[in-house]
Amino acid sequence: GQQVMQIPQYQHVQEGEDFTTYCNSSTTLSNIQWYKQRPGGHPVFLIQLVKSGEVKKQKRLTFQFGEAKKNSSLHITATQTTDVGTYFCAGRTNAGKSTFGDGTTLTVKP
Amino acid sequence: DADVTQTPRNRITKTGKRIMLECSQTKGHDRMYWYRQDPGLGLRLIYYSFDVKDINKGEISDGYSVSRQAQAKFSLSLESAIPNQTALYFCATSDYRANYGYTFGSGTRLTVV
Repeated sequence: GQQVMQIPQYQHVQEGEDFTTYCNSSTTLSNIQWYKQRPGGHPVFLIQLVKSGEVKKQKRLTFQFGEAKKNSSLHITATQTTDVGTYFCAGRTNAGKSTFGDGTTLTVKP
Repeated sequence: DADVTQTPRNRITKTGKRIMLECSQTKGHDRMYWYRQDPGLGLRLIYYSFDVKDINKGEISDGYSVSRQAQAKFSLSLESAIPNQTALYFCATSDYRANYGYTFGSGTRLTVV
């Protein structure tokens, strides 16, 4: 079945450093979504990417979808303590099923 | 009020007991999902329902059952709870295309002793 792998599993950064998490699918995706889960909270939808090579920005967050629509990345510039949490990607196939990656947990040291 | 409400928020139960987790939504979405979250394992799909008459198994359905009582209600049952079902359970909803993502409830933390 479809597999979605996300790396790294954990990332510890100093406040102000950049952060990137990568998502790779075993199959071509129709779209990919990104979610953030704060400690003790539930996943919250951030964004959806649909087009090959698409890049979207939300303030300090930059999301990319690979040309082959099998990989994606989330980059945070100049992390802040409010960025802590676990970031999940969810890859959706043409069959309409979504598979979540295992997430990358970000900790930020002030 | 939350768009997706899960009850209870926390539950401790004994091995062998039957337990039901409930989910209700005010989003008006047709599609509802149950996920299980374990540390380091992300979100794994247990069951999903695309409308009231549609129930589908996810990747880890063994030991679980569901009921879609209405468009807005989707419950998850553990027929005979076992300790390795200790986890955080999330209910989620989406519209047909899910272009605005899944809306998750606040979760139920279940401990089986």
